[in-house]
Amino acid sequence: QKEVEQNSGPLSVPEGAIASLNCTYSDRGSQSFFWYRQYSGKSPELIMFIYSNGDKEDGRFTAQLNKASQYVSLLIRDSQPSDSATYLCAVYAYSGAGSYQLTFGKGTKLSVIP
Amino acid sequence: NAGVTQTPKFQVLKTGQSMTLQCAQDMNHNSMYWYRQDPGMGLRLIYYSASEGTTDKGEVPNGYNVSRLNKREFSLRLESAAPSQTSVYFCASSGRVLRGYTFGSGTRLTVV
Repeated sequence: QKEVEQNSGPLSVPEGAIASLNCTYSDRGSQSFFWYRQYSGKSPELIMFIYSNGDKEDGRFTAQLNKASQYVSLLIRDSQPSDSATYLCAVYAYSGAGSYQLTFGKGTKLSVIP
Repeated sequence: NAGVTQTPKFQVLKTGQSMTLQCAQDMNHNSMYWYRQDPGMGLRLIYYSASEGTTDKGEVPNGYNVSRLNKREFSLRLESAAPSQTSVYFCASSGRVLRGYTFGSGTRLTVV
């Protein structure tokens, strides 16, 4: 059973601070890793993906991957109230018969306090 | 705008009624998925279609059926709705391997 674990939160940070969201996964064969943001009552939207060990930066967002430790994280710098949402970690792995599937964590709820 | 379109957005059913949730994508994606999302449970895969003409069960298929009508459309049917099927349903699609999924806007279903 492939598993993706996240702290459910809520994680509260003051405006302007760095928010750090963490995720661990069980399948060592996982090949790519995604972070989705989901506002209340809305659908998940992709904000970052990472394939290789190390850091990947996109604006205020940095994704970090450590395959040896089976750990992926998302850093949000200069957090804004508009970043308040639930962040879903998702891990892509081969599931057989030519099919790849995403396994999602249950999400971490982030609240940015003005 | 390119994307995944789900209909309806909201639906209230009585126990035992049937309905079909519709999903269509215009991104020429091969794979399509149906998820349900419940508080504290995260996204759970109901059924998926890796390519046109194929469908497979996911984590929670009981009480549901699907049809991959063509490459664009993937429908989810509840034959006899139960209160336990009250949930938010998301359709998603994926194209290039390792590029993640694109989600529709969701259907909020209440079974009374």
